Amino acid sequence: NAGVTQTPKFQVLKTGQSMTLQCAQDMNHNSMYWYRQDPGMGLRLIYYSASEGTTDKGEVPNGYNVSRLNKREFSLRLESAAPSQTSVYFCASRGGRTNTEAFFGQGTRLTVV
Amino acid sequence: QQQVKQSPQSLIVQKGGISIINCAYENTAFDYFPWYQQFPGKGPALLIAIRPDVSEKKEGRFTISFNKSAKQFSLHIMDSQPGDSATYFCAATRDTGGFKTIFGAGTRLFVKA
Repeated sequence: NAGVTQTPKFQVLKTGQSMTLQCAQDMNHNSMYWYRQDPGMGLRLIYYSASEGTTDKGEVPNGYNVSRLNKREFSLRLESAAPSQTSVYFCASRGGRTNTEAFFGQGTRLTVV
Repeated sequence: QQQVKQSPQSLIVQKGGISIINCAYENTAFDYFPWYQQFPGKGPALLIAIRPDVSEKKEGRFTISFNKSAKQFSLHIMDSQPGDSATYFCAATRDTGGFKTIFGAGTRLFVKA
């Protein structure tokens, strides 16, 4: 049972480069989320998708774009990476038995130099 | 503004002691309050959760106390063990499909053997 799978696990980018973080879930959940985790800041919501075909901004959306490709996949794109985007990125999906539990991937550690 | 404030930022407890982490929220529309546990290099995982219609929920050594009028809730870890050393996040959300989950800043707990 894979749950939520993120790729890649690690990435180093140069300032100005672009990349896409991939996320896929196999739990048939409707809702998916992208968070970034920084020391002392907790988990901050970047974007989320309540259901296939919809996306909404979270707390810190600037510099990011997302695509809900289908029910399983939700990708996060950095068009022009900046050092301030150095962080650990987590994808999550939601929809346990009571539609409340969020399941997280293992994270992507991104460094922008 | 939807916000969840968590304290303390870090906590050191002796083995066998009680660990207490506190959170406060602002938005009274929240109706589901989970706690997540995160070990280094891993994504957060649901530990225990409570709804505002009860004042306390206990699962093994973990207890959530909830004060609806004060808009505060706390996690108590009884008989703390070295294996409990992790980062703990409180969160708030709505029990409605697709609603975003807002996290506190996290508490790094270290249990001394």
